[in-house]
Amino acid sequence: SQTIHQWPATLVQPVGSPLSLECTVEGTSNPNLYWYRQAAGRGLQLLFYSVGIGQISSEVPQNLSASRPQDRQFILSSKKLLLSDSGFYLCAWAGGSNNEQFFGPGTRLTVL
Amino acid sequence: SQQGEEDPQALSIQEGENATMNCSYKTSINNLQWYRQNSGRGLVHLILIRSNEREKHSGRLRVTLDTSKKSSSLLITASRAADTASYFCATAPTGGFKTIFGAGTRLFVKA
Repeated sequence: SQTIHQWPATLVQPVGSPLSLECTVEGTSNPNLYWYRQAAGRGLQLLFYSVGIGQISSEVPQNLSASRPQDRQFILSSKKLLLSDSGFYLCAWAGGSNNEQFFGPGTRLTVL
Repeated sequence: SQQGEEDPQALSIQEGENATMNCSYKTSINNLQWYRQNSGRGLVHLILIRSNEREKHSGRLRVTLDTSKKSSSLLITASRAADTASYFCATAPTGGFKTIFGAGTRLFVKA
């Protein structure tokens, strides 16, 4: 069966520090991968998605970047965090024509 | 406004009552999905309805889709305290890889 891992679960970082969040998927090949951010009590904002290794589509201009160095690995990064980068970051994968998404447990990022 | 708008934003009911949440969207879709999120957790897929379907059932869940009105509803029958969560609709626009999520409905079921 397929599983999706995200780490760390929580992270507190100072403004201006770098960021690296990792997401890995097991049990499937060539998934579509997604990074979302969720503000407290709000919906999901799509940040990036990838349909293959090295292929990244960015949805909103921002302080973040994404990379997909391997088929089942998706990384969210920043060189210098801003206060506004705080939030709950969710990684998801999808396969098949329905685009049904399967989510990781999320990372709660607090930038101070 | 973002595709996939749910209403109400929040709903509080007694255990045993039915809960109905609505979703509207703007563009042509391949399917519409409903997800559930417990506080501080990832989303869990509940049910998917394709654009050529009008109604679908799964246990205590009933979903309807009206493509002419670009709207969907999620009915949870005989609610339980454990149903307390946020519920999101999400649309898969035609010809794309993205799934667009709404802002969600927060459901609170009182025991």
